[in-house]
Amino acid sequence: RKEVEQDPGPFNVPEGATVAFNCTYSNSASQSFFWYRQDCRKEPKLLMSVYSSGNEDGRFTAQLNRASQYISLLIRDSKLSDSATYLCVVNGDGNKLVFGAGTILRVKS
Amino acid sequence: GAVVSQHPSRVICKSGTSVKIECRSLDFQATTMFWYRQFPKQSLMLMATSNEGSKATYEQGVEKDKFLINHASLTLSTLTVTSAHPEDSSFYICSASPTGWYGYTFGSGTRLTVV
Repeated sequence: RKEVEQDPGPFNVPEGATVAFNCTYSNSASQSFFWYRQDCRKEPKLLMSVYSSGNEDGRFTAQLNRASQYISLLIRDSKLSDSATYLCVVNGDGNKLVFGAGTILRVKS
Repeated sequence: GAVVSQHPSRVICKSGTSVKIECRSLDFQATTMFWYRQFPKQSLMLMATSNEGSKATYEQGVEKDKFLINHASLTLSTLTVTSAHPEDSSFYICSASPTGWYGYTFGSGTRLTVV
């Protein structure tokens, strides 16, 4: 079983749609959780950290369920510029980051 | 803040030669930096953890004699791919964080092509 699992997609949605991504992780000792965005052939960029109480940044909302070892990302009012691969990232042993394989989002006009 | 610079961005080299990639933290000190590799349509895989002033820690399956890491200062780590082969062609990315916990920042990556 992979340490961090994500649905690879692609999710094809129209502009303005709401889309949700899920992620599960296997290491119950993980303490830090992130969503990163990676554009084609570029480096990952931090989208947001994920806190136990859930957090929101504009159109983006992240949730963490420690009991189920589950993380989610909700994007409201999708824009064309949101098209990218979204990486679920969890800290593992030795504070190393463990990456999911990513979920591809394609927003179409 | 928390800017990581990586050079070169692209390199094409002949099989058998060595390539050095630099990773610099521009506005913070990093006692630890991480080196990743990403093959097309795959996730980032951690290769090694670079520790300032001491030996790097390599992940299982990564040859330390092939991927030489030097972290001689608090702002610079280098990865040297020695005797490169076509199968080493990949996207190499470094990362670091001033806090040690949140908001790891990545370099812009180095696309290595070995011909």
